[in-house]
Amino acid sequence: DSGVTQTPKHLITATGQRVTLRCSPRSGDLSVYWYQQSLDQGLQFLIQYYNGEERAKGNILERFSAQQFPDLHSELNLSSLELGDSALYFCASSVVREGPNEQFFGPGTRLTVL
Amino acid sequence: GENVEQHPSTLSVQEGDSAVIKCTYSDSASNYFPWYKQELGKRPQLIIDIRSNVGEKKDQRIAVTLNKTAKHFSLHITETQPEDSAVYFCAVGENTGFQKLVFGTGTRLLVSP
Repeated sequence: DSGVTQTPKHLITATGQRVTLRCSPRSGDLSVYWYQQSLDQGLQFLIQYYNGEERAKGNILERFSAQQFPDLHSELNLSSLELGDSALYFCASSVVREGPNEQFFGPGTRLTVL
Repeated sequence: GENVEQHPSTLSVQEGDSAVIKCTYSDSASNYFPWYKQELGKRPQLIIDIRSNVGEKKDQRIAVTLNKTAKHFSLHITETQPEDSAVYFCAVGENTGFQKLVFGTGTRLLVSP
């Protein structure tokens, strides 16, 4: 167990709908990262937050948005869902201090869009 | 931005053999190189990492080597076991204030008994 929690574990929805994925980082970690992993694909970085502020953006679609709250949990909002959005969505957290930091991954949310 | 290439995409070995997975990167300023193991449907788990000031690091049957001049690093697994079967991802940490990781495309390792 990495200490990072994600809910829900599974989500099945229809095209055009909107969903929210939730992530709670490890205790003490200020930075949260979101990744998308499509079937048999690698991990695509979506977005990073640090202490409530957006810090880096990757290949995140305009239909997707995220935020990090004062208690440091983060939510990833996916709207106008398409079949191609079906994927595993992981969040990771890290302690951000000087130098490279290990990222700890949560168990993921499996999104299925029908 | 950083570009990471990983080879091979699949690797089949017999139990007890060694396995080597290689990654190359493009940004010479990158300074963190972790390797993750991911079993089917599970989260990626860090198995070993190396920082740019070190050329080699070993942890039991797993080792990572880094050649900063050539901008490539490799994962070495010795005495492979069936439980080593998984997808392995290399990643590169960009040398920015709040690092994000750029991942390779993954190597599916199959260890046959």
